Amino acid sequence: EAGVAQSPRYKIIEKRQSVAFWCNPISGHATLYWYQQILGQGPKLLIQFQNNGVVDDSQLPKDRFSAERLKGVDSTLKIQPAKLEDSAVYLCASSLRQGAVEYEQYFGPGTRLTVT
Amino acid sequence: AQTVTQSQPEMSVQEAETVTLSCTYDTSESDYYLFWYKQPPSRQMILVIRQEAYKQQNATENRFSVNFQKAAKSFSLKISDSQLGDAAMYFCAYRGGADGLTFGKGTHLIIQP
Repeated sequence: EAGVAQSPRYKIIEKRQSVAFWCNPISGHATLYWYQQILGQGPKLLIQFQNNGVVDDSQLPKDRFSAERLKGVDSTLKIQPAKLEDSAVYLCASSLRQGAVEYEQYFGPGTRLTVT
Repeated sequence: AQTVTQSQPEMSVQEAETVTLSCTYDTSESDYYLFWYKQPPSRQMILVIRQEAYKQQNATENRFSVNFQKAAKSFSLKISDSQLGDAAMYFCAYRGGADGLTFGKGTHLIIQP
């Protein structure tokens, strides 16, 4: 079974530039998450999708971050414009949902973003 | 809001010995899940073990086991017969229902050969 795929693995940009990350979840997983992991900290949830609808985006800085999940499969996370404090690893995860039961989250390898 | 606290930034253990990583959490919910994830330098987050709050029996996965104390809101991870491949960051995480995960700050585990 293929895992969660993310690209690119690394990205370096200058502040005020834009950047986009892509995630392809495990086939059949309806729930998709984006996390931000700043160096030395645990991941923080940015946004959660159920199919192509947003379940929770309470911690997403909406003035500069946006995310979409067209057709309920792949997802993109965009930052525009980037700030120095956005330097982090961006992790995508997916999970299977059957009825009211949500199963374990499986994580992708992450994208390391450096903003200079 | 739920919080997860890992009070040990770093732990060191001799190969083949046993080590326990601590985790406490705060929640007002009665039904939730707790997890330990391992993150090696490759950054891939790997699930080690999970515990459902409604289960009194502590979860076990081979050399990994937990001590779940619901009243004390404590969830520690015990690694027996430590191996060099166990070296990594370990994160304790909480999930209520179908929510996203809330992570602690992590414990860096060093295995001494």
